[in-house]
Amino acid sequence: KQEVTQIPAALSVPEGENLVLNCSFTDSAIYNLQWFRQDPGKGLTSLLLIQSSQREQTSGRLNASLDKSSGRSTLYIAASQPGDSATYLCAVSLGGYNKLIFGAGTRLAVHP
Amino acid sequence: NAGVTQTPKFQVLKTGQSMTLQCAQDMNHEYMSWYRQDPGMGLRLIHYSVGAGITDQGEVPNGYNVSRSTTEDFPLRLLSAAPSQTSVYFCASSYFGTGQVGEGYTFGSGTRLTVV
Repeated sequence: KQEVTQIPAALSVPEGENLVLNCSFTDSAIYNLQWFRQDPGKGLTSLLLIQSSQREQTSGRLNASLDKSSGRSTLYIAASQPGDSATYLCAVSLGGYNKLIFGAGTRLAVHP
Repeated sequence: NAGVTQTPKFQVLKTGQSMTLQCAQDMNHEYMSWYRQDPGMGLRLIHYSVGAGITDQGEVPNGYNVSRSTTEDFPLRLLSAAPSQTSVYFCASSYFGTGQVGEGYTFGSGTRLTVV
């Protein structure tokens, strides 16, 4: 059974720091991995999607890497800002139309 | 594009009542799904559909029905609401292609349901 774990569960940092959020999964046979952001009381916003054949994806200050063999992905946030405060969710898909399996999330607080 | 639209945003039901949560997408996605999000449980799949006329159960389907008569709409029906169905419900749609922009899941803003 695929399980997704995110570490740390919560993180509080001063503005300007570079951050690394971790996601691990137990079954390396994934189709893709997606990082989402969720603001309090809001829906999920897709940040980055990495196909199983890819090693990383970048969007602005965000960079996500994928190491299937070790069952790990990291989300790197450069020069963090208070507006980055949110919960970050990692989810894997085992097939094109298979369900997403989510981690519990990392709750990030960036203070001025 | 509007993306994925969910209505209503908030709802309070009495135990035993029925209701339908609406979900519509305008991206011509084949795949649509419903998740519920509960504290400490994360997001769990309720039902999903791979196209019009095709639906299947997810991880927690009991107490819910779905149908998919069109590509755009995927309503979730609560047959007889119970307090255990108090949750935040998210609808999502997706297509899978060649890794281009827009691929992957798009989520609606959610419906916050309380059953008293």
